[in-house]
Amino acid sequence: AQSVTQPDIHITVSEGASLELRCNYSYGATPYLFWYVQSPGQGLQLLLKYFSGDTLVQGIKGFEAEFKRSQSSFNLRKPSVHWSDAAEYFCAVEANNQGGKLIFGQGTELSVKP
Amino acid sequence: DADVTQTPRNRITKTGKRIMLECSQTKGHDRMYWYRQDPGLGLRLIYYSFDVKDINKGEISDGYSVSRQAQAKFSLSLESAIPNQTALYFCATSDPLGRLAGETDTQYFGPGTRLTVL
Repeated sequence: AQSVTQPDIHITVSEGASLELRCNYSYGATPYLFWYVQSPGQGLQLLLKYFSGDTLVQGIKGFEAEFKRSQSSFNLRKPSVHWSDAAEYFCAVEANNQGGKLIFGQGTELSVKP
Repeated sequence: DADVTQTPRNRITKTGKRIMLECSQTKGHDRMYWYRQDPGLGLRLIYYSFDVKDINKGEISDGYSVSRQAQAKFSLSLESAIPNQTALYFCATSDPLGRLAGETDTQYFGPGTRLTVL
């Protein structure tokens, strides 16, 4: 069965420091992958998605993610974190690339210290 | 105005009560979804609907039912609420037309309903 693992439950980084959030997936074919962000009290907002082509994907708010098939990973990065980036981040894979069913990771909560 | 709205935003109820959570969207999307979020578990799919006449069970449908009253409305019901249904519930929509362009459909989420069952 498909699954998504986010190994880090909680990460704290200093403002201005770089960030990498890890995501590993299990799926035999090329997956459709997503990163969403959930700010406190808010719904989920799409940061970026990968479905084909260039393995380095640019998203909103200065985020990017790199699809690495050999490592079954889709890690999210940002070169310089802002205090407003504090939120929970979810990686997701589309079940069987058929649309409709997203399988989410457990989420990583990001704290930003001054 | 928000594209995907959920009512109520917060609800406290008692064990055994029937509860309905409502979702409305103005995005014109055919596909709608209900998820629940629990700490440490991420989001899990309860039900999804690809159009008004097409409703499907998700990963954790037991204890829930849904109704797709129109393209824009998708309701989730708990027939007899129990405490372990205490969670944050999200509605989402997507448009499959993106798949025709070789893309994948993106899901857009509502703000969530926090449900507490005592």
